Amino acid sequence: SQTIHQWPATLVQPVGSPLSLECTVEGTSNPNLYWYRQAAGRGLQLLFYSVGIGQISSEVPQNLSASRPQDRQFILSSKKLLLSDSGFYLCAWSDPRGGNTEAFFGQGTRLTVV
Amino acid sequence: QQQVKQSPQSLIVQKGGISIINCAYENTAFDYFPWYQQFPGKGPALLIAIRPDVSEKKEGRFTISFNKSAKQFSLHIMDSQPGDSATYFCAASLPAGNQFYFGTGTSLTVIP
Repeated sequence: SQTIHQWPATLVQPVGSPLSLECTVEGTSNPNLYWYRQAAGRGLQLLFYSVGIGQISSEVPQNLSASRPQDRQFILSSKKLLLSDSGFYLCAWSDPRGGNTEAFFGQGTRLTVV
Repeated sequence: QQQVKQSPQSLIVQKGGISIINCAYENTAFDYFPWYQQFPGKGPALLIAIRPDVSEKKEGRFTISFNKSAKQFSLHIMDSQPGDSATYFCAASLPAGNQFYFGTGTSLTVIP
């Protein structure tokens, strides 16, 4: 069965510090990968999605970047965090070959920028 | 532009009552409509989903009603329980399946 791992679960970082959140998927190949951000009490904002290694689409211009160095690895980064980067970050994957297209989410990373 | 509009933003229901969450969409190319349930501090998890070729899908206490002509779909939770208290998201996806369009979420509280 497929599983998605996302870490760390919580993170407190000072303003101006770098960020690296990692997500890996097991049990499948060539997944579509996504990074979402969820502000407190708000909906899901798509930040990046990837259909293959090195292929990244950005949905919202911001202080963040994403990379996909391996087929099942997706990394969210920042060189210098802002206070506004605080939020709940979710990684997700979907199977581009499936007839029932749904996203499967990781458990999320709670990022607090102080 | 919000591709999928969801209401209400929050909902309080008595135990045993019916919870109803509504969503509407514009893009008739959407061909898959999943609902997600999210507990605090956790990622959303797929609850139930429907395709537009059926008008209703039921799984246990959860039912999706789909009105293709009105471009609306709704989640009904029968005999609501305190354990159903969570945030619910509707979503829609295109046949290519690369992107998902989520509603803004509904915070459901079921009072014992």
